[in-house]
Amino acid sequence: KQEVTQIPAALSVPEGENLVLNCSFTDSAIYNLQWFRQDPGKGLTSLLLIQSSQREQTSGRLNASLDKSSGRSTLYIAASQPGDSATYLCAVVDTNAGKSTFGDGTTLTVKP
Amino acid sequence: EAGVAQSPRYKIIEKRQSVAFWCNPISGHATLYWYQQILGQGPKLLIQFQNNGVVDDSQLPKDRFSAERLKGVDSTLKIQPAKLEDSAVYLCASSFDRGPFNEQFFGPGTRLTVL
Repeated sequence: KQEVTQIPAALSVPEGENLVLNCSFTDSAIYNLQWFRQDPGKGLTSLLLIQSSQREQTSGRLNASLDKSSGRSTLYIAASQPGDSATYLCAVVDTNAGKSTFGDGTTLTVKP
Repeated sequence: EAGVAQSPRYKIIEKRQSVAFWCNPISGHATLYWYQQILGQGPKLLIQFQNNGVVDDSQLPKDRFSAERLKGVDSTLKIQPAKLEDSAVYLCASSFDRGPFNEQFFGPGTRLTVL
């Protein structure tokens, strides 16, 4: 059974810092890994999707990497801003029926 | 392009009552997902449809939860009877297909409170 872990559960940084969020998964037989952002009381917004054959994806100040063999992904946020404050979730889609498994997220607070 | 639509946005019911949620996916998306998200946790997959067929419902409490996707487009999720522990946000998502390219897009969710 796939298990996804995100550490730390919460993170607080001053504005302008570069930061890394971590996601680990137990079964490397995945189709892809997707990072999401969730604001309080809202649905999930897709940030980046990395296919299993890819090593990384970039969008603006965000860079996500994937190391399937070690079961790890990182989301790098450059020059953080208060507007980046949200909960960040990762999800893996396994190759058995394409089932999705989410981590519990990292809640990020960026202080002005 | 219109996103995933869900209704209602909020629902408050007494335990043992019934409730139904509706989802309309992005046009052309074959795969539809229902998730349950309890406060402080990540979404848990309840059921996944490919067109109007069920791909995975291993985590759906079938004694009280049911879901259908008639005609392979919109879907309803029903709880009957509801329990206190069903209080959660119910999220619907859709993707073009399964496999490596299936980027999931989420609706705003329905917040259910069971009293």
